Amino acid sequence: KQEVTQIPAALSVPEGENLVLNCSFTDSAIYNLQWFRQDPGKGLTSLLLIQSSQREQTSGRLNASLDKSSGRSTLYIAASQPGDSATYLCAAAKTGANNLFFGTGTRLTVIP
Amino acid sequence: DTGVSQDPRHKITKRGQNVTFRCDPISEHNRLYWYRQTLGQGPEFLTYFQNEAQLEKSRLLSDRFSAERPKGSFSTLEIQRTEQGDSAMYLCASSLLTEWNGYTFGSGTRLTVV
Repeated sequence: KQEVTQIPAALSVPEGENLVLNCSFTDSAIYNLQWFRQDPGKGLTSLLLIQSSQREQTSGRLNASLDKSSGRSTLYIAASQPGDSATYLCAAAKTGANNLFFGTGTRLTVIP
Repeated sequence: DTGVSQDPRHKITKRGQNVTFRCDPISEHNRLYWYRQTLGQGPEFLTYFQNEAQLEKSRLLSDRFSAERPKGSFSTLEIQRTEQGDSAMYLCASSLLTEWNGYTFGSGTRLTVV
């Protein structure tokens, strides 16, 4: 079974700080990877996805990278804002696989 | 099409009752997935459909759970004889078959078994 680990489990930062969330997976085979945001009691909102042929993706203040050789992905958030407070989930899938495996998430709190 | 829709948003039921949830995927998406998420955990895969065919089921999907996608469009997830351990968020997602462009999730159905 694929294991996806997210570190740290929780993170609290002052507004304006840049931060990095980490995701690692046990099998370093070719992967598609997707980062999600989840607000309390809500569904998942897709932030960025990286297909197996890509190494990183950017959207606004967010940048996600994928290093297949080491089985790691990072989500970089620049100039954090209180509205960024949420749980961030990393999910990985092998090419051709039928489902995503999720980490347990990093709960981010941005303090005004 | 505004995305993946799930109904109801919340369901409270007594232990032993049956419940049914509905998911309407993005219309052009061939694949539909059901996940379950408990508090503080990431979503866990339950089952997926490609068009109307149910192609994979997790061991988490006990015989009290059944899912259908009769015409390859919307899907239903039924839980029979609910137990308190079934309390969770049930999430539906859809994706394209031909090109992996990520999963789109719905807002989920929060089930509370009392």
